[in-house]
Amino acid sequence: AQSVTQLGSHVSVSEGALVLLRCNYSSSVPPYLFWYVQYPNQGLQLLLKYTTGATLVKGINGFEAEFKKSETSFHLTKPSAHMSDAAEYFCAVTPPYGNNRLAFGKGNQVVVIP
Amino acid sequence: KAGVTQTPRYLIKTRGQQVTLSCSPISGHRSVSWYQQTPGQGLQFLFEYFSETQRNKGNFPGRFSGRQFSNSRSEMNVSTLELGDSALYLCASSTGQIPYEQYFGPGTRLTVT
Repeated sequence: AQSVTQLGSHVSVSEGALVLLRCNYSSSVPPYLFWYVQYPNQGLQLLLKYTTGATLVKGINGFEAEFKKSETSFHLTKPSAHMSDAAEYFCAVTPPYGNNRLAFGKGNQVVVIP
Repeated sequence: KAGVTQTPRYLIKTRGQQVTLSCSPISGHRSVSWYQQTPGQGLQFLFEYFSETQRNKGNFPGRFSGRQFSNSRSEMNVSTLELGDSALYLCASSTGQIPYEQYFGPGTRLTVT
């Protein structure tokens, strides 16, 4: 079974500072990896994904993530936080074969301090 | 393209009742997955339907069931509601093929009293 670990349920960051959200996965084979964002009273919006190829992937709203197989990690970063980045962020994985089932981490609630 | 739509957005039910939630996927998508989101358990996979057949199932009791119609619209049913069923139920739409990119609807907020 696959699992995802996101440490630190609440993350505070100053406006203009680096946003770093950590995601580690446990899987027998490298999975497909996703980051989703959820704004209050809304569903999940896909930020970016890694399937194959280049390990540094760029997403929407200035976010990017790097897949590191040796560290089983897929950390999300953004160089400069905006107030609009305040939301909950989820890392998710799915196996790269015949399975459309996402396993999510517990999420990080990001608070941006002006 | 229109996004994933879910109806109703909010629902209040009493213990013991049953409820049906509806999801319309993105046009052309044949896979619909359902997830339950609660503060305690987070996001948990319920089941996935692809071309009217249940393809994957999560670890939920038989009170939770679903179906998919020929137009790919899906319904989820919960019978004999319990207080613990209070949650945000999210529907996700995808082509059903690798790399399984899923697009989520706004969810249905179910409150059981």
